[in-house]
Amino acid sequence: DQQVKQNSPSLSVQEGRISILNCDYTNSMFDYFLWYKKYPAEGPTFLISISSIKDKNEDGRFTVFLNKSAKHLSLHIVPSQPGDSAVYFCAAKYSGTYKYIFGTGTRLKVLA
Amino acid sequence: SAVISQKPSRDICQRGTSLTIQCQVDSQVTMMFWYRQQPGQSLTLIATANQGSEATYESGFVIDKFPISRPNLTFSTLTVSNMSPEDSSIYLCSVGENLNTEAFFGQGTRLTVV
Repeated sequence: DQQVKQNSPSLSVQEGRISILNCDYTNSMFDYFLWYKKYPAEGPTFLISISSIKDKNEDGRFTVFLNKSAKHLSLHIVPSQPGDSAVYFCAAKYSGTYKYIFGTGTRLKVLA
Repeated sequence: SAVISQKPSRDICQRGTSLTIQCQVDSQVTMMFWYRQQPGQSLTLIATANQGSEATYESGFVIDKFPISRPNLTFSTLTVSNMSPEDSSIYLCSVGENLNTEAFFGQGTRLTVV
């Protein structure tokens, strides 16, 4: 049972435009959500996070939105740059634990 | 953020053999974890490496197959025992400091079992 789902395995966006990556979850006990970026032959790199008590968190070009009623998370990258091309993983954490549940990832390709 | 070094970065192993992966952190950390990423799949938590005691394994993972050591607050090892081609994956070490901050990952060990 996949508790964290990223239904789009890939996404292509033109440089300068907005990239929107989506993530859905099923467990209401998750209280902390994160996005990681992964380049080939490297480990995942933390990008941005959001607590379940918030609905938006912004860090430079990256904004994460949380819709708890829909159990939906999205990452917006504006403007998109070719260096953003990577696999993006959504992750959720159980309240009171260190256990992260990861989605299957979305491969973003930003076209120059 | 902690700097995490994993060794080896990749290996090709014969089935039936074992491989030990090392994870070294440049500072003392509270929590250390081992994840597996099978081809085309998400990262799955194998176990939490506990300092000075036995690791805590997730459902579907057992100590006989994935023995883990954590002798101190900066180092851990994961052994993949009696390997089969199904064990071909990327194995990742991860560290965390507290419940409300992000976990950091090493660069991973790409294991191919032939």
